[in-house]
Amino acid sequence: SAVISQKPSRDICQRGTSLTIQCQVDSQVTMMFWYRQQPGQSLTLIATANQGSEATYESGFVIDKFPISRPNLTFSTLTVSNMSPEDSSIYLCSVGGPGGASPHTDTQYFGPGTRLTVL
Amino acid sequence: LAKTTQPISMDSYEGQEVNITCSHNNIATNDYITWYQQFPSQGPRFIIQGYKTKVTNEVASLFIPADRKSSTLSLPRVSLSDTAVYYCLVGHMEYGNKLVFGAGTILRVKS
Repeated sequence: SAVISQKPSRDICQRGTSLTIQCQVDSQVTMMFWYRQQPGQSLTLIATANQGSEATYESGFVIDKFPISRPNLTFSTLTVSNMSPEDSSIYLCSVGGPGGASPHTDTQYFGPGTRLTVL
Repeated sequence: LAKTTQPISMDSYEGQEVNITCSHNNIATNDYITWYQQFPSQGPRFIIQGYKTKVTNEVASLFIPADRKSSTLSLPRVSLSDTAVYYCLVGHMEYGNKLVFGAGTILRVKS
């Protein structure tokens, strides 16, 4: 299994500002994922952070709003830019790893999340 | 990725067995069924994964009928600490595949 830490654990920000969330993994992984979980809702994938190439964004999410860096195989950052109250959510990163039902399947390990409140 | 349907919420009492059923009528031949658990203020945690028949681990059992159009997560003798949201996901589950989370089932365990 992978151990994932995120910084900050929570923050309160003013609208129009930006916040960078860090995700650190205790082992090297090829792909990392960033999710958003709005209050009382399920998780929505924002993007896949690929090491050595640009992130792949899901429909409805754009690089200008959520720039992602992936400088190495154990670290990634997600920036929430020009924030508005609608960006108030929990942001989670995850990585794939072994533990699935077969050698060909994997599970995902999630960080504890960053709770962001935008005023 | 196959669409899944789960009950929105369930209530149970401590010591009871809880069964949460997930429907996935459009499951593909090489899709696996995976369940995640999410406690408040934490990220989801993998519980169990299966392809067919029955899978059991130290946390839960997963029952999958022959047609694989549904699955049932069984939690034996739940405790208050099992209060969480349970997500059923269906997909290839190969390394690097993204996960698509549905609404999940809120399980409330009462004393």
